[in-house]
Amino acid sequence: DIVLTQSPATLSVTPGESVSLSCRASQGIRTSIHWYQQKSNESPRLLIKFASQSISGIPSRFSGSGSGTDFTLTINRVESEDFSVYYCQQSSSLPRTFGGGTKLELK
Amino acid sequence: EVQLVESGGGLVQPGRSLKLSCLASGFTFNNYGMNWIRQAPGKGLEWVASISSSGSHIYFADTVKGRFTISRDNVRNTLYLQMTSLRSEDTALYYCARLMYTTDTPFDYWGQGVMVTVSS
Repeated sequence: DIVLTQSPATLSVTPGESVSLSCRASQGIRTSIHWYQQKSNESPRLLIKFASQSISGIPSRFSGSGSGTDFTLTINRVESEDFSVYYCQQSSSLPRTFGGGTKLELK
Repeated sequence: EVQLVESGGGLVQPGRSLKLSCLASGFTFNNYGMNWIRQAPGKGLEWVASISSSGSHIYFADTVKGRFTISRDNVRNTLYLQMTSLRSEDTALYYCARLMYTTDTPFDYWGQGVMVTVSS
């Protein structure tokens, strides 16, 4: 199985800061990584597909990069509504796996 | 508007069975692969099972293989998860989720989830 390791587990920031969240895969997966946001008591929402492709309706401050084993989700100038948990997920092979999540919290 | 509405959850004793349903609307159900994904209380996301648009291709996580069955009714626009031999570690919020395009694409729409609690 492909293991996805997200870091850091928790990130404390103030609104207006720009942040980068990391996702590392245990083997190369080209760009088959997707990012989700999960707010408290809500279902996950797709933010970025295939490492860097934008999703309709998602604010442009969210962007993704990377290929192979190292991937990054960047939030440019964090807003208050962005404080939530972020997950990466791979679709390169079965079983589909998710990272453990990064919690973005208010400093 | 795409909607996925799960139902059928509840409290069940270990070793018993439960069947979840997910009613889809707002899109052509029989064009999309569907999945079940679960989240234990306070934990992360775990993919459980996948079924292709026609139902001909089915995949399971090792943790549920042999105990869970996934199926779909493309006339009723409904996805199912039959769970048997339930264990305490199956306690979770179960989401149904749509595959964006083909099998190797992300989950673009998720239901609100249905809670399954396995306890004596």
